[in-house]
Amino acid sequence: QSALTQPHSVSGSPGQSVTISCTGTSSDVGGYDYVSWYQQHPGKVPRLMIYDVNKRPSGVPDRFSGSKSGDTASLTISGLQAEDEADYYCCSYAGSYIWVFGGGTKLTVL
Amino acid sequence: EVQMLESGGGLVQPGGSLRLSCVASGFTFSSHALHWVRQAPGKGLEYVAAIKSNGGSTFYADSVKGRFIISRDNPKNTLYLQMGSLRTEDTAVYYCTRLGGIKDYWGQGTLVTVSS
Repeated sequence: QSALTQPHSVSGSPGQSVTISCTGTSSDVGGYDYVSWYQQHPGKVPRLMIYDVNKRPSGVPDRFSGSKSGDTASLTISGLQAEDEADYYCCSYAGSYIWVFGGGTKLTVL
Repeated sequence: EVQMLESGGGLVQPGGSLRLSCVASGFTFSSHALHWVRQAPGKGLEYVAAIKSNGGSTFYADSVKGRFIISRDNPKNTLYLQMGSLRTEDTAVYYCTRLGGIKDYWGQGTLVTVSS
């Protein structure tokens, strides 16, 4: 089981859109529609932003959206705001009750 | 309201042992697989171990295999992580979690520091 691949960092200006990719294999991302995305601010517990590829928990702004194509999932944040600056992690089901995380992406709002 | 409360972290010397506990409430504990995820200082999330709902099957990351044991006591709604042969690289905040879907829950984490 290998970690999912995310870009180390992305950046965007306020109001712009950014997309964070998460690449796995047919054994995880490509094999199940169970990809989650977490936002983590320094010193805080990860917060669920997207689950089941493209579903948003209540309270998460609709600026956050998720998608998947093949073995790659993506998180798109539109209308960037200063408070979106954080680390983002993807997580995919890998079968047999096991999950796998991505290495994390640091989002900088310029 | 769902709560997951870890305890047992602290300072331990290299080669030492520590047992983490996680008491959960607010959901049917015995119906769900549970997981330990850790985060070293300044690093990303690392999936450490998992256990099926009935405790009959376990999974370990290669980095801890043979040194850590995950277990659970369903009547006590408690998840454990027995950590042995600890190394400095095991220093991290350890989270107990229930992953998957909208009912995705995390504890506040407990800090384990391995240092002489």
